[in-house]
Amino acid sequence: EVQLSESGGGLVQPGGSLRLSCAASGFIFSSYAMGWVRQAPGKGLEWVSAITGGGGDTYHADSVKGRLIISRDNSKNRLYLDMSSLRAEDTAVYYCVKGSDTSRPYYFDFWGQGALVTVSS
Amino acid sequence: EIVLTQSPGTLSLSPGERATLSCRASQSDRSSYLAWYQQKPGQAPRLLVYGASSRATGIPDRFSGSGSGTDFTLTISRLEPEDFAVYYCQQYGSSRMFGQGTKVEVK
Repeated sequence: EVQLSESGGGLVQPGGSLRLSCAASGFIFSSYAMGWVRQAPGKGLEWVSAITGGGGDTYHADSVKGRLIISRDNSKNRLYLDMSSLRAEDTAVYYCVKGSDTSRPYYFDFWGQGALVTVSS
Repeated sequence: EIVLTQSPGTLSLSPGERATLSCRASQSDRSSYLAWYQQKPGQAPRLLVYGASSRATGIPDRFSGSGSGTDFTLTISRLEPEDFAVYYCQQYGSSRMFGQGTKVEVK
């Protein structure tokens, strides 16, 4: 059974930093692309970042480029999102998502339960 | 960047009725790389359809997807109580954008 479990969310001040982690199990982690999708309170889904199965290629939405960085550790079956220079508009539930293949094109076939990040003073 | 527009924003229907949800892309990437997701309140989204018309594992056959190019449709043939939720489309070919969502509510 595929399981994705996010951790590391919380309250952070504007301009601060945070690291989200996603523990994956139930599939061959290194064989699949992974990503992050966020959802601001009461809003729709926004794709944030993605990374290929081997970790060699990363992609970020323009809204987060240079501030949010995706990475993975295939030896630990973990996905990360390093968040810096955080803004109020980054406040959202961040979902860890599994891609359907190792590289594009892929849809997101499994989703974690999400981690809430609140950026506020 | 391809923009996806979903319509209507809200669909008010009764259990047993047919629901037709639309997703229109601002341009075609000449693929059928279109997915649909369902999200219930307080829950993570779940995959319903990929490749425009292929149902994901475990999805009931009352859900069906169709379309190509720039116009895609998700149809729920007979609404069950558990189908009232928000539905999102996503283009996963040349972009990863989501539509803004369609809420299916009880009339």
